[in-house]
Amino acid sequence: AQSVTQLDSHVSVSEGTPVLLRCNYSSSYSPSLFWYVQHPNKGLQLLLKYTSAATLVKGINGFEAEFKKSETSFHLTKPSAHMSDAAEYFCVVSDPGSYQKVTFGTGTKLQVIP
Amino acid sequence: NAGVTQTPKFRVLKTGQSMTLLCAQDMNHEYMYWYRQDPGMGLRLIHYSVGEGTTAKGEVPDGYNVSRLKKQNFLLGLESAAPSQTSVYFCASSPVGQGASGANVLTFGAGSRLTVL
Repeated sequence: AQSVTQLDSHVSVSEGTPVLLRCNYSSSYSPSLFWYVQHPNKGLQLLLKYTSAATLVKGINGFEAEFKKSETSFHLTKPSAHMSDAAEYFCVVSDPGSYQKVTFGTGTKLQVIP
Repeated sequence: NAGVTQTPKFRVLKTGQSMTLLCAQDMNHEYMYWYRQDPGMGLRLIHYSVGEGTTAKGEVPDGYNVSRLKKQNFLLGLESAAPSQTSVYFCASSPVGQGASGANVLTFGAGSRLTVL
């Protein structure tokens, strides 16, 4: 069985400071991992994905995530927060080739303080 | 580029009423999904489809039915709405064949907010 745990339900940062959103996963296979972002009253948009290639994955809007197998983690980072980054972020794990076995984390709401 | 379009965006129902949510995608994706999003619970899969004419149950299928008569459309029906079905519903689609990794990237609609009184 696979699972994903987002360690913080809310994160608050000041504009211009680094962002760290934490995600741990559990999977019986070599999983695919994703981060999605959801702005208020919008659908989810893919930020980045890990699919067993480079362990450091770069996404849109300056975000990146590092796959650490030994720590079963896939934390999302950004060097400098922008006001437009305020949103909810979801970590997602998927067993390879299993279109229905996609498990979402419970989400982390990022607040950016001016 | 429309992507995934959901209608209606908002709906209020009384307990026991029925309704259908429509999802349409114009990307020729094989797979389509219906999720519900509830506070603190992430997204949970209701039903999904791997192609025209096929449907399957997800994690929380009770109280819902689906149909995929055309490849581009995926309908979610509530036969007798209950307050527990108050939620935001998201449709998503993905192509088949993401390579050896099998990483199916989902494209989401904007959501349909349903309130059952």
